[in-house]
Parts: sequence; C-alpha cells; structure tokens
Amino acid sequence: AQKVTQAQTEISVVEKEDVTLDCVYETRDTTYYLFWYKQPPSGELVFLIRRNSFDEQNEISGRYSWNFQKSTSSFNFTITASQVVDSAVYFCALSEALGSGTYKYIFGTGTRLKVLA
Amino acid sequence: EAGVTQFPSHSVIEKGQTVTLRCDPISGHDNLYWYRRVMGKEIKFLLHFVKESKQDESGMPNNRFLAERTGGTYSTLKVQPAELEDSGVYFCASSQDQTHGYTFGSGTRLTVV
Repeated sequence: AQKVTQAQTEISVVEKEDVTLDCVYETRDTTYYLFWYKQPPSGELVFLIRRNSFDEQNEISGRYSWNFQKSTSSFNFTITASQVVDSAVYFCALSEALGSGTYKYIFGTGTRLKVLA
Repeated sequence: EAGVTQFPSHSVIEKGQTVTLRCDPISGHDNLYWYRRVMGKEIKFLLHFVKESKQDESGMPNNRFLAERTGGTYSTLKVQPAELEDSGVYFCASSQDQTHGYTFGSGTRLTVV
C-alpha cells in the first residue's frame, strides 16, 4: 500500500542551525511524484517542491535543499541556517494513481519545526 | 490570480447539527479536491471532482458527508448530522491538470462539540 512516514513528530532548533526533515515512502507505482508542503501558523498549505520519480537529482532553492534517494525510498528536506519564520508544520506527500491519469496525494503525519531565536 | 478560497475559516457546531463548507477553486481549474486532517494525524484524501463530476470519492468516510460541485465552479461539502469525530481541518485544493501540483486553500477548521 502507498504510505508516507515522517518519523519526526517535532523538532526544535536554534536559529541558524541546519535541520533535516525525514520522509520515507512506500509505493507500488513505477511513476510517481513526491512533494513537500509547508503549513505555517496561518493554516494554509504552501507548495515547496514536486519531484518526479525519474528525476533523482538533488535540488537546492535558496536555504532549502532536497535529497531524493530512490534506493532507500527517501525524500529528505534540509533547511540551512534556519530562521524563526521557518517554524511551521512540514508535510511530505506521495502521489497515488487513481486511474484515468489522475492522482491523489498520500500525506505523512507532518513534522512540526520550531526555530527558536 | 486569486488562490483557492475556503469559507468559513472556522466553524464550531454542536453534535447533530449540519455544516456546509465551501471551496472556490482557482478560476479555470477543472480539478478540485477535498482533504481532511483530523487532529495530529495525516491529511487524508476525501474526493476528487473533474468539473462537476465526482471522479473519485473513495475517501469519503460515510454517508453523512455530501460533496457537490454544481456547474463545475465552486464546491460544497456538507456534513449532516455532524459527529464529534468529524472535527478537524478540511482542505480544498485545485489544479489545472494532473501534471501540475495542487494549490491548497487555507482550510476550514471544524470543531464539533
């Protein structure tokens, strides 16, 4: 069955520290997408990244970087030099094919990141 | 462009009452999705509309939940009668097509007391 595991329920770091959020997934699909979303205190889900299963290149966007390892079914997210504004709940998600070319998302339980000043 | 809009942002109702949540997707997005997060758990898929048609409603918990998307524009999710376990945050999302990621709304926090 499709599953996303975010084993870290809550992480606290001091500002300027680097932090890595783990995501491990299980899927039977050969083609799939992986996502990270951020949920700040305001409540909305903010899209961060989408990764195709055929593209294992790591990606960097400013202070954010993502490490996709198909061999270990992991898609980890690192924030470098964390800031207080990074405090949020972060969700990892996996697409699951519904048929007819449509997908739904399988989410992990989220990791709450607290960045202390 | 305006994002996905959900109304209300919060709702507190008593057990047994009816509540209707509304979602306005991004204009032109044929795909509309409802998800729910029960306290501390993962965000779970409820259903998917393509225009006005329900494409998949395998995640709907039971027949107390009714989703509609008349005219293929906004969607409503009605819970009748509400139970305590229905409390959570209900998210709506829309997408232009399956090659793009979703855009989520801010969610409706439903509390059933």
